[in-house]
Amino acid sequence: DGGITQSPKYLFRKEGQNVTLSCEQNLNHDAMYWYRQDPGQGLRLIYYSQIVNDFQKGDIAEGYSVSREKKESFPLTVTSAQKNPTAFYLCASARGQGNGYTFGSGTRLTVV
Amino acid sequence: DQQVKQNSPSLSVQEGRISILNCDYTNSMFDYFLWYKKYPAEGPTFLISISSIKDKNEDGRFTVFLNKSAKHLSLHIVPSQPGDSAVYFCAASNPFENRDDKIIFGKGTRLHILP
Repeated sequence: DGGITQSPKYLFRKEGQNVTLSCEQNLNHDAMYWYRQDPGQGLRLIYYSQIVNDFQKGDIAEGYSVSREKKESFPLTVTSAQKNPTAFYLCASARGQGNGYTFGSGTRLTVV
Repeated sequence: DQQVKQNSPSLSVQEGRISILNCDYTNSMFDYFLWYKKYPAEGPTFLISISSIKDKNEDGRFTVFLNKSAKHLSLHIVPSQPGDSAVYFCAASNPFENRDDKIIFGKGTRLHILP
């Protein structure tokens, strides 16, 4: 079955450590996105990529980095520069041209 | 500056009654609108969409209405069921002019269906 997989579902890290969240899709979608959800804030766009080896900053990119070396994969690194990293992170992919997104099941990151 | 606004953070509706979730937008270039449903600790799932050339789209118990002149859309759920309790996100995009195909989400409305 085609889908988008985020791993792990729960992640704990110590303050000051970088951490990488995985996102893999087998939908053959060109575009991939990372969102962050905080209570009362809705979904805020961190980074997105329309094509392999290219990505763009979203609204809240500071403290995050991404790579898009393969069409199927779009990992997100939460760096120590991110002031409030504890959140629920969602990855999505899209075929493009207004077809909407398919979301992964999310990763809950807790930094202690 | 919020381009997609859901002004009601939460809504409680009796089971069997109609749930109406509202959404306003400010960007007149948006021409495609979507509703997503989200359960806790899960990713959002697509519910229903509407193109700006229509004013209504229906799918089973779910109907979305679009009023372009008022820049307003609403999602109607009839009849409401316990499984409808979730957070609903309104979203908008301009897929044919917006080359990066970004979707702009509202902050969500938490719907509680009361027994």
